[in-house]
Amino acid sequence: SQTIHQWPATLVQPVGSPLSLECTVEGTSNPNLYWYRQAAGRGLQLLFYSVGIGQISSEVPQNLSASRPQDRQFILSSKKLLLSDSGFYLCAWLGQGKFFGPGTRLTVL
Amino acid sequence: EDQVTQSPEALRLQEGESSSLNCSYTVSGLRGLFWYRQDPGKGPEFLFTLYSAGEEKEKERLKATLTKKESFLHITAPKPEDSATYLCAVLYGNKLVFGAGTILRVKS
Repeated sequence: SQTIHQWPATLVQPVGSPLSLECTVEGTSNPNLYWYRQAAGRGLQLLFYSVGIGQISSEVPQNLSASRPQDRQFILSSKKLLLSDSGFYLCAWLGQGKFFGPGTRLTVL
Repeated sequence: EDQVTQSPEALRLQEGESSSLNCSYTVSGLRGLFWYRQDPGKGPEFLFTLYSAGEEKEKERLKATLTKKESFLHITAPKPEDSATYLCAVLYGNKLVFGAGTILRVKS
């Protein structure tokens, strides 16, 4: 079966600290993968998407970056977090099931 | 600029009162339109994919339709458990872009 894993589920980080969120997919190969951020009460903002290993398209010019070191692994990173980076981060796989991961709730203090 | 717009922002219905949610889009080269349901604190749950104008999909009390510029999600005789945020998203190229969502509340 096809599954998306995300961790951690919740994270509280101080301003200026680094960030690494990981997303892994099971049950498929060469998936299109997406990172979204959802602020409280808002819609999903597309951050990055990837169609293959090492291929990253960025939709936001800010302090976030993404990498795809393996076919089924997608990583979201930041060197220095801002208060505005707080939100609900979701990884998605646009496969047959159109799956979303369970999300990571990030609070930057 | 490519856009996805959902209306209304919020909708309150009585149980059994049917209604429709709208998703309009202005992207070029639409490859698919998706509807999701999202409960508070959770990731979106996939409902439907529509690929071409005139296509319709149904699931229980929900029916999604697609034209060349918009999609409707029809809710027939809703129940309180249908309360959620409903999101639409459009796929063009390899980009999957979401609208802001419609918050639906169904009161018994």
